Amino acid sequence: DAGVTQSPTHLIKTRGQHVTLRCSPISGHKSVSWYQQVLGQGPQFIFQYYEKEERGRGNFPDRFSARQFPNYSSELNVNALLLGDSALYLCASSFSRSGANVLTFGAGSRLTVL
Amino acid sequence: KQEVTQIPAALSVPEGENLVLNCSFTDSAIYNLQWFRQDPGKGLTSLLLIQSSQREQTSGRLNASLDKSSGRSTLYIAASQPGDSATYLCAVSYTGANSKLTFGKGITLSVRP
Repeated sequence: DAGVTQSPTHLIKTRGQHVTLRCSPISGHKSVSWYQQVLGQGPQFIFQYYEKEERGRGNFPDRFSARQFPNYSSELNVNALLLGDSALYLCASSFSRSGANVLTFGAGSRLTVL
Repeated sequence: KQEVTQIPAALSVPEGENLVLNCSFTDSAIYNLQWFRQDPGKGLTSLLLIQSSQREQTSGRLNASLDKSSGRSTLYIAASQPGDSATYLCAVSYTGANSKLTFGKGITLSVRP
């Protein structure tokens, strides 16, 4: 059974560009959460989507946006990239929106902004 | 401000040693607490989840405890092995309404053969 899959695994962008990261949750999981992990730090919560609606948002600027599709996959979009956006972006899925569920994380998309 | 702290940042022990990793949180009104493992350049693997009403959880050689009143959790690893070398992260949920977790920076564990 496939786990949480993320694409691309690595990418390099330049300042000012736009990036789209993709996530496919575990089959049967309806919730997708996005986290940003800067080198040497713990992950920081960006968004949670459940049943295609935003259910939680972290302290990130409006340059960050996301959406969830009918098949529960999700995209994270970042506009006007800054050097500080360089990080590992992690996607996690769970069965429901509840905080009681264990999150299953993907391997992440490593973004480098030059 | 809700903060999660893990000290020390790194730890090196000889194989076979029993060890304790510490986690502290500033706001004791937690919903649950989870311990994760992260291998270099990889995603996170959930190890143990403790609900706020529980005091501990066990899985194999791992035991996690929770003391809400003091704002502390510990992860006990018995008979450590080189394969246990990884970064261990503690994460707190403050609500059941969504899956937002507040993470510590992690403790990088090295188990020497």
